[in-house]
Amino acid sequence: AQSVTQPDIHITVSEGASLELRCNYSYGATPYLFWYVQSPGQGLQLLLKYFSGDTLVQGIKGFEAEFKRSQSSFNLRKPSVHWSDAAEYFCAVGNTNAGKSTFGDGTTLTVKP
Amino acid sequence: GAVVSQHPSRVICKSGTSVKIECRSLDFQATTMFWYRQFPKQSLMLMATSNEGSKATYEQGVEKDKFLINHASLTLSTLTVTSAHPEDSSFYICSALGGDYNEQFFGPGTRLTVL
Repeated sequence: AQSVTQPDIHITVSEGASLELRCNYSYGATPYLFWYVQSPGQGLQLLLKYFSGDTLVQGIKGFEAEFKRSQSSFNLRKPSVHWSDAAEYFCAVGNTNAGKSTFGDGTTLTVKP
Repeated sequence: GAVVSQHPSRVICKSGTSVKIECRSLDFQATTMFWYRQFPKQSLMLMATSNEGSKATYEQGVEKDKFLINHASLTLSTLTVTSAHPEDSSFYICSALGGDYNEQFFGPGTRLTVL
């Protein structure tokens, strides 16, 4: 069975500081990995995804993530956080055959001025 | 491309009534759609998989008679919450499967409040 762990429930960073959100997964084969962002009362917006190829993936809004098979991790990073990045972030691992995704519990990001 | 819409975005209803939520893939055809439920400050919980032209597959613990799913066309799936009660109040999100890698494209969600 596939699973996703986001160890940090809540992270607070200062505006302009760097950010790293952790994600660890468990999956029997090569995973399809996703990061989504959700603002309050809104749906999910895809930030980036990893299917194959280069393990460093660039996404929207200046985010990137690195797939590390040896560590079963897919951590999300941003070099300089903006106040508008404050939101809930979900990591997910996908089953390409069934199309289902398993989501982590999410990490709430607070940005201090 | 790959836009998914949901209607309504917000609905308030009285206890005992039924509510229908629509999920549409606007610019692609989706044989498979998913319905999720999200409680405040929590992750998405998969409720069911909706397949065009066949019965939906429900996750364990989800009442199929309570949450009726119909996927009548390749661009539309509906979720009907029957005889809604206050505990059914939640944020319901759908997704449609598509793209080269069979990935999910999410709708904006529907906020259901049952009084």
